[in-house]
Amino acid sequence: RKEVEQDPGPFNVPEGATVAFNCTYSNSASQSFFWYRQDCRKEPKLLMSVYSSGNEDGRFTAQLNRASQYISLLIRDSKLSDSATYLCVVKARYSSASKIIFGSGTRLSIRP
Amino acid sequence: DAGVIQSPRHEVTEMGQEVTLRCKPISGHDYLFWYRQTMMRGLELLIYFNNNVPIDDSGMPEDRFSAKMPNASFSTLKIQPSEPRDSAVYFCASSFGTGRETQYFGPGTRLLVL
Repeated sequence: RKEVEQDPGPFNVPEGATVAFNCTYSNSASQSFFWYRQDCRKEPKLLMSVYSSGNEDGRFTAQLNRASQYISLLIRDSKLSDSATYLCVVKARYSSASKIIFGSGTRLSIRP
Repeated sequence: DAGVIQSPRHEVTEMGQEVTLRCKPISGHDYLFWYRQTMMRGLELLIYFNNNVPIDDSGMPEDRFSAKMPNASFSTLKIQPSEPRDSAVYFCASSFGTGRETQYFGPGTRLLVL
C-alpha cells in the first residue's frame, strides 16, 4: 500500500461545478499536510496548507480527518484556470528525520 | 528574488554517459530537496539537505546517483552511468525552517537518456 494515495482521476467537470478530492495516508505519525498544484509541464506550487481545524482560502477548502487518516480539498465555483493536477503532500517525523511524501496527484479538467 | 534556479532545463544523453544536474536554491533557505517525477511513479523525494548536510538519502535509487551541496547556494545531482530508466523530470526545491514551511520548486530539468 502506498503511504499517500490519491484518486488519479481525471475529474472532468463543467465550469461552475463543485469538486472534491480525497487523499489518504498510512502513517499515523504524520504531522503536516499540504495541497500543491501542478500545471502541465510546470513545477508544483503550494496551493494551501491543511490545518487540523480545516481552513478555507477563497473557493478552496481543505479538511483533515486524523481519525480516518485522510485529507480533502473542495473547490467551489470551479474556473477553467483550475484545470491542473492536485498533489497531496504529507510530512511525517521519523526517528532521525522527517519524511515528505507526495501523492501521485489527481488530474482535474474544467470544461466550458 | 529569482526563485530556485536549475540547469540545464533539458538534457539528452546516451546511456552510459555521466549527467550532472545543478540547482541554486533561494537565498536564505536552509533546506534543499531533490525530486524525480515520472508518469509511472509520480513525484519521488530522492534526497534532502539541511544547512548543506544530507539528512535523508533513502530515496536515492542506487549507487549511480549521488548528490552534493558544497555551499548554501549550490547543489548537484549526478548520475553516473546514466540509463534509459533514469529519464524523468528532476526538480530541485528549497524551503526555510521546519514545520509548515512552503517548498519552492525550480522549473525542473527534463532528462532523456537514449
